[in-house]
Amino acid sequence: DTAVSQTPKYLVTQMGNDKSIKCEQNLGHDTMYWYKQDSKKFLKIMFSYNNKELIINETVPNRFSPKSPDKAHLNLHINSLELGDSAVYFCASSQGVDLQPQHFGDGTRLSIL
Amino acid sequence: GQNIDQPTEMTATEGAIVQINCTYQTSGFNGLFWYQQHAGEAPTFLSYNVLDGLEEKGRFSSFLSRSKGYSYLLLKELQMKDSASYLCAVMDSNYQLIWGAGTKLIIKP
Repeated sequence: DTAVSQTPKYLVTQMGNDKSIKCEQNLGHDTMYWYKQDSKKFLKIMFSYNNKELIINETVPNRFSPKSPDKAHLNLHINSLELGDSAVYFCASSQGVDLQPQHFGDGTRLSIL
Repeated sequence: GQNIDQPTEMTATEGAIVQINCTYQTSGFNGLFWYQQHAGEAPTFLSYNVLDGLEEKGRFSSFLSRSKGYSYLLLKELQMKDSASYLCAVMDSNYQLIWGAGTKLIIKP
């Protein structure tokens, strides 16, 4: 009965590879997010989708491409992985884009060798 | 630019009270959130403030002063399980959450 689930939990791969992280929420929320948390623990918004429409697209390299097949899913595909991509990536969802608490997945720990 | 400041680390004793401060400068303000994040886990929502004043929720309370760009999270009757990072986040005029780096709270017996 996990509310926001993301897979995989750990991802270890080599520089230059392409990888995907999947996220699903069963809360019936309209809005989903991808965050990057670096070693200094800052959470930085990468993308936000509302009802499958992209609403936030921060300054993120275009190697990162989000895809939302339906409002319960928001996947993140990363091309040509670089050392600086090593971080924890969190998926989150909320009922709407205004004053609604965000519910986070457990994170995907990405390590680039 | 947008800026959220919190102390990096605080230490407190089990059973005591601790106040974690947060100051912010953002482009617009639509609300301030507090989240708890245990090491290696996801952030979990604690509280939010939209208007000035104190919001109480069990052992946790959060205060907001919009004119001062200031908030604090007050934790009472501290328990060992309260050892975690506490993240302050402000929702700006675009309804985007701007996050602080978090305050690591260490509880000692």
